[in-house]
Amino acid sequence: DTEVTQTPKHLVMGMTNKKSLKCEQHMGHRAMYWYKQKAKKPPELMFVYSYEKLSINESVPSRFSPECPNSSLLNLHLHALQPEDSALYLCASSQLALPGTRDTQYFGPGTRLTVL
Amino acid sequence: AQSVTQLDSHVSVSEGTPVLLRCNYSSSYSPSLFWYVQHPNKGLQLLLKYTSAATLVKGINGFEAEFKKSETSFHLTKPSAHMSDAAEYFCVVILSSYSGAGSYQLTFGKGTKLSVIP
Repeated sequence: DTEVTQTPKHLVMGMTNKKSLKCEQHMGHRAMYWYKQKAKKPPELMFVYSYEKLSINESVPSRFSPECPNSSLLNLHLHALQPEDSALYLCASSQLALPGTRDTQYFGPGTRLTVL
Repeated sequence: AQSVTQLDSHVSVSEGTPVLLRCNYSSSYSPSLFWYVQHPNKGLQLLLKYTSAATLVKGINGFEAEFKKSETSFHLTKPSAHMSDAAEYFCVVILSSYSGAGSYQLTFGKGTKLSVIP
């Protein structure tokens, strides 16, 4: 099973709302990733967790707050977002942890976020 | 620093004709190279990867790619295009401490949109 699941599929929120995106994998992978993808652009890496610890934060604004409660679950908490944060948010996982891994990343289907 | 260049932003082919999507990279280390496909409003699916084993890599759905170190290229090919191949394709380079790099570096190409004409 190489499935990464993400919920919800679609999310519409106002600029004052607080919401969370959820990502789950049951492949025993030790690295998990959040990406942001704007229309007609490649994904941009936001955060990487290795062994449930934050390994990489690509200078993402603090209105995005990641959390890795256990080895299978990754959350992205959203607060006071701006309309320009509207995008497809993708989660991925890979078997080995950073910094050594060159493993394949397995992607979820994404959450389409619209900020009004 | 590493970089990835997908030489064509859009490629259009007729159904049944060959597909060539071009990717060049720049890196001081031995990279891992990947091709992913993304259908509209979907996540990314791995087509194939190169990690310093055989230079000709076969992937899913009849795709293959050849790693050419002398040309710093990793072009994606398929002998005969199918309508279902119409999608966005991304070339990805990863460096890590395993490669000899000091830290983990991941770089996506800007993508190539493949259109298949019936």
